[in-house]
Amino acid sequence: EAGVAQSPRYKIIEKRQSVAFWCNPISGHATLYWYQQILGQGPKLLIQFQNNGVVDDSQLPKDRFSAERLKGVDSTLKIQPAKLEDSAVYLCASRLTSGKSSYEQYFGPGTRLTVT
Amino acid sequence: AQSVTQLGSHVSVSEGALVLLRCNYSSSVPPYLFWYVQYPNQGLQLLLKYTSAATLVKGINGFEAEFKKSETSFHLTKPSAHMSDAAEYFCAVSESQGAQKLVFGQGTRLTINP
Repeated sequence: EAGVAQSPRYKIIEKRQSVAFWCNPISGHATLYWYQQILGQGPKLLIQFQNNGVVDDSQLPKDRFSAERLKGVDSTLKIQPAKLEDSAVYLCASRLTSGKSSYEQYFGPGTRLTVT
Repeated sequence: AQSVTQLGSHVSVSEGALVLLRCNYSSSVPPYLFWYVQYPNQGLQLLLKYTSAATLVKGINGFEAEFKKSETSFHLTKPSAHMSDAAEYFCAVSESQGAQKLVFGQGTRLTINP
């Protein structure tokens, strides 16, 4: 079974530029999460999707961050314009919605963003 | 609201020694609890989980954790450390129902001395 795929793995941009990250969850996983992990901290949830609908985006800085999950499969997270404090690893995770293992989230390798 | 506190941002043990990583949680509803491991430049891998069944949970790579409701703790242990255990470890809590989003602790970096 293929895991959660993310691209790119690394990205370096200047402040005020825009950037987009892509995530392909495990096949059949209806729930998708984006987390931000700043160096030295634990991951923090940015947004949660159930199929193509948003369940929780309370911690997403909506003035600069946006995310979508068209057709309930792949997802894209965008930052526009980027700030220095956006430097972090962006992790995508997916989860089954029902069934015995529905509580377990599977994480992708992450995208490391450096804003200069 | 839920929260997790990991005591000690850095733990160092000798190879073959006991590993103990501490985690305390706060939750207003019955929680699910998790330990994840993160190797450099990789995503998070689930070590073990507590989902209201047995309070002593066994995971991969010889790790185990015990859920103690009275102490609101979920400490991670391994009897004998191996060099390959060197990594960052995260404790996380989620609600047992609803959106089940994970709230993570700040992490504990485990170093193994030869």
